[in-house]
Amino acid sequence: DQQVKQNSPSLSVQEGRISILNCDYTNSMFDYFLWYKKYPAEGPTFLISISSIKDKNEDGRFTVFLNKSAKHLSLHIVPSQPGDSAVYFCAAPKPSGNTPLVFGKGTRLSVIA
Amino acid sequence: ETGVTQTPRHLVMGMTNKKSLKCEQHLGHNAMYWYKQSAKKPLELMFVYNFKEQTENNSVPSRFSPECPNSSHLFLHLHTLQPEDSALYLCASSQVGGVNTEAFFGQGTRLTVV
Repeated sequence: DQQVKQNSPSLSVQEGRISILNCDYTNSMFDYFLWYKKYPAEGPTFLISISSIKDKNEDGRFTVFLNKSAKHLSLHIVPSQPGDSAVYFCAAPKPSGNTPLVFGKGTRLSVIA
Repeated sequence: ETGVTQTPRHLVMGMTNKKSLKCEQHLGHNAMYWYKQSAKKPLELMFVYNFKEQTENNSVPSRFSPECPNSSHLFLHLHTLQPEDSALYLCASSQVGGVNTEAFFGQGTRLTVV
C-alpha cells in the first residue's frame, strides 16, 4: 500500500519556465510533508517542507502548495534551471509520532537549456 | 558534508561474503535509519533505531543484520546476499521528538552482489 504517490515518473521543462511536480497521499493522518532532491549516486537532500496548518510555503524559487481536501501537494520551481535536473521525492513522516519517512517513487525532472 | 557519512561508497561482494556498511552522523540526532533504493522502486525503510534501540524492522530478511552501538553510529551487516539485494543503501538520521524535523541522508553505499 503506497501511501505517498508520485504518478509522473519524469518531467521535461525548458529552462526559465515553471516546473510543477505533483504528489498525492492517501493517509489523512499525515500532517507534514517534505520534498527531497536527489542527484545520481548521492543521498536525498531536503528541499522544502509544509505543515498541514498551511496551504503554501515558499523558499526562493521553490514553492510547495498543499490541498488537504484533495490530499494533494505540488512543488513549483520557477524559473527552472539546468541544475534543478534531479529526481524529486515527496515524503511524509509516519503519523505514529516517529519520523521514519514514507516516500513516493520520485519524479525525474530534466530542465533543458 | 551532509553530517551523515557512509562507508564504503561502493561495494561489490559475492553471495558467500560477509561485509558491513557503516554510517556515522555528526548532527547529535537520536534516531538513525537504513533505507534501500532499488532501481525503479521507491525508497524502502528497512530499520529504525531510536536512542540505540531498534524500534522498527520492516520485514527485512535476516541476511541483513543492523547494529547500533551508540546514537552516532549505525552498521548494516551483510551475509549470504542475493543478486537482487544489489541496490543503493542509504543511512539517515533525525531528531525524534522535535517538531517537524526532517531526516538527513548520507551519500549512500552502492552495493552490487555478484
